Amino acid sequence: QKEVEQNSGPLSVPEGAIASLNCTYSDRGSQSFFWYRQYSGKSPELIMFIYSNGDKEDGRFTAQLNKASQYVSLLIRDSQPSDSATYLCAVRGQDSSASKIIFGSGTRLSIRP
Amino acid sequence: GAVVSQHPSWVICKSGTSVKIECRSLDFQATTMFWYRQFPKQSLMLMATSNEGSKATYEQGVEKDKFLINHASLTLSTLTVTSAHPEDSSFYICSATRAASSYNEQFFGPGTRLTVL
Repeated sequence: QKEVEQNSGPLSVPEGAIASLNCTYSDRGSQSFFWYRQYSGKSPELIMFIYSNGDKEDGRFTAQLNKASQYVSLLIRDSQPSDSATYLCAVRGQDSSASKIIFGSGTRLSIRP
Repeated sequence: GAVVSQHPSWVICKSGTSVKIECRSLDFQATTMFWYRQFPKQSLMLMATSNEGSKATYEQGVEKDKFLINHASLTLSTLTVTSAHPEDSSFYICSATRAASSYNEQFFGPGTRLTVL
């Protein structure tokens, strides 16, 4: 079992709709959870992070965390074509290297006009 | 804040030569810097973790003698690919965590595209 799992996609969503991206993780003691966006040929950029159960909103983005289910998601409201990218879920666990985070393989999101 | 730069942004070299890539945190002190490699259409692969003033910790399968990492200060880490070969051609990306952060979010540099002929 991979430590951080994501559906590779592609996930196709019409413009203006809500895009829902999901991620599960295996280390129950994980502390912090991150969502990164990566455009083709570019490096990842941090969208947001969450560390408490529940929802965290930032503009059109909402991160949701459920530690009991070991599940974290990212919702993108009013999807725009510029949101088309690969979204990487990342998790900081309890391992000996406290600053190391584990990345999922990413979900490719395509917003169709 | 939290800007990370990399230099060069791209480099083409001949097989057998060495290439040095610099990673700098521009507006913060970086507790730890990370080096990743990404092949086309594949996910990020962590190569090594480096802390200022200490030896880098390499991931399993990464040759420490081939990928030399030096973390001389809280704002600069370098990756040297020694005796590069065509199979080393890839997108190399560094990231850094802020000393002041409790959550260790990583901020990425723009990446360096290496092509070995």
